[in-house]
Amino acid sequence: AQKVTQAQTEISVVEKEDVTLDCVYETRDTTYYLFWYKQPPSGELVFLIRRNSFDEQNEISGRYSWNFQKSTSSFNFTITASQVVDSAVYFCALSEPPETSGSRLTFGEGTQLTVNP
Amino acid sequence: KAGVTQTPRYLIKTRGQQVTLSCSPISGHRSVSWYQQTPGQGLQFLFEYFSETQRNKGNFPGRFSGRQFSNSRSEMNVSTLELGDSALYLCASSFRPRTGTYNEQFFGPGTRLTVL
Repeated sequence: AQKVTQAQTEISVVEKEDVTLDCVYETRDTTYYLFWYKQPPSGELVFLIRRNSFDEQNEISGRYSWNFQKSTSSFNFTITASQVVDSAVYFCALSEPPETSGSRLTFGEGTQLTVNP
Repeated sequence: KAGVTQTPRYLIKTRGQQVTLSCSPISGHRSVSWYQQTPGQGLQFLFEYFSETQRNKGNFPGRFSGRQFSNSRSEMNVSTLELGDSALYLCASSFRPRTGTYNEQFFGPGTRLTVL
């Protein structure tokens, strides 16, 4: 069975601080996909990134960066120089290979990030 | 390109009633998945439809059902509503996973269902 754990329920920072959101996953598959989604107050889930299990390269996109470590089953997300607009709930998610489970995503509990001015 | 649309956005029903929610995927997307989001259980997968067939199902009672039409639009139905069915119901569409690849899912704004 798959499982995603986001131990941080809420994080509050002051603008311009760096913040890291933790994600730990469990799966028996050797091939899997990891995701981060952002959910602003409007409710819509916004896709941020996808990583394949066979690609452990870290990725940077502007102020966002992701650290994927298979050895610790973690896929952490860092926002550098946070802004008020980053305030949202962030979800980490996991998927088996599509031939096994189609598009099914297993989500973590989410981390509510509040960036104060 | 228009995103995923869901109607209605808000709905209030009473216990015992039934409800139908609608989802129109992004043009060209053939797979539609449904998720339920509640404060207690978080985001949970309900089912996925592709080519008018249910391809995958989550752990929900038979009161939750769905269907997909030939134009890929999907509807979700909940019968005999219970208070615990109050939730945000999210629909996601994707082009369709091919063997060995994964196609990103794009989510709609959701339908907020309140059961009184």
